[in-house]
Amino acid sequence: DGGITQSPKYLFRKEGQNVTLSCEQNLNHDAMYWYRQDPGQGLRLIYYSQIVNDFQKGDIAEGYSVSREKKESFPLTVTSAQKNPTAFYLCASSARTGVREAFFGQGTRLTVV
Amino acid sequence: GENVEQHPSTLSVQEGDSAVIKCTYSDSASNYFPWYKQELGKGPQLIIDIRSNVGEKKDQRIAVTLNKTAKHFSLHITETQPEDSAVYFCAASIYDMRFGAGTRLTVKP
Repeated sequence: DGGITQSPKYLFRKEGQNVTLSCEQNLNHDAMYWYRQDPGQGLRLIYYSQIVNDFQKGDIAEGYSVSREKKESFPLTVTSAQKNPTAFYLCASSARTGVREAFFGQGTRLTVV
Repeated sequence: GENVEQHPSTLSVQEGDSAVIKCTYSDSASNYFPWYKQELGKGPQLIIDIRSNVGEKKDQRIAVTLNKTAKHFSLHITETQPEDSAVYFCAASIYDMRFGAGTRLTVKP
């Protein structure tokens, strides 16, 4: 059953702690993306990766970090430097060429307590 | 980077009417323009997409038009139904994918 999986669905973090959100896909996609969604706003691009071992900053990369050591995995770390981390985080993947439909995970809702 | 603007932010129509959502983009190099539907608490799902070498694409009640010269594209939903109620996002892509701010569509029975 192919798809993209984000975990956990809900995550609570204390202020000052780093936290890592998981994103795994078995669609054999080269490209992967992380977005942040706040209430009433669109999806803002945090980081994206076109191939393994390479990634680029999006529009709101400050306070976040990523790695792309495997094609299937693109974890996002929300660091203590992110001043307002409470949000809904969405991961997506797509082919780089040809059919470029991006498939999204179900999201992780992060709350800082 | 690419900047995508989407209008209107909210749209309310009667069941059976048509709905139109418009987007503009800034980077003329963008070559892929998808539209997504998002239901509450879920990830967005693709409903239709168009590439820069095509001017119009239709899939049953949904159509998308693209004007490359003016750098704008639109989503048209005909014969709207209550289940069409959701938030719709447009996006423009080269190697990354930037999204508009979304349109909350409400279809009244």
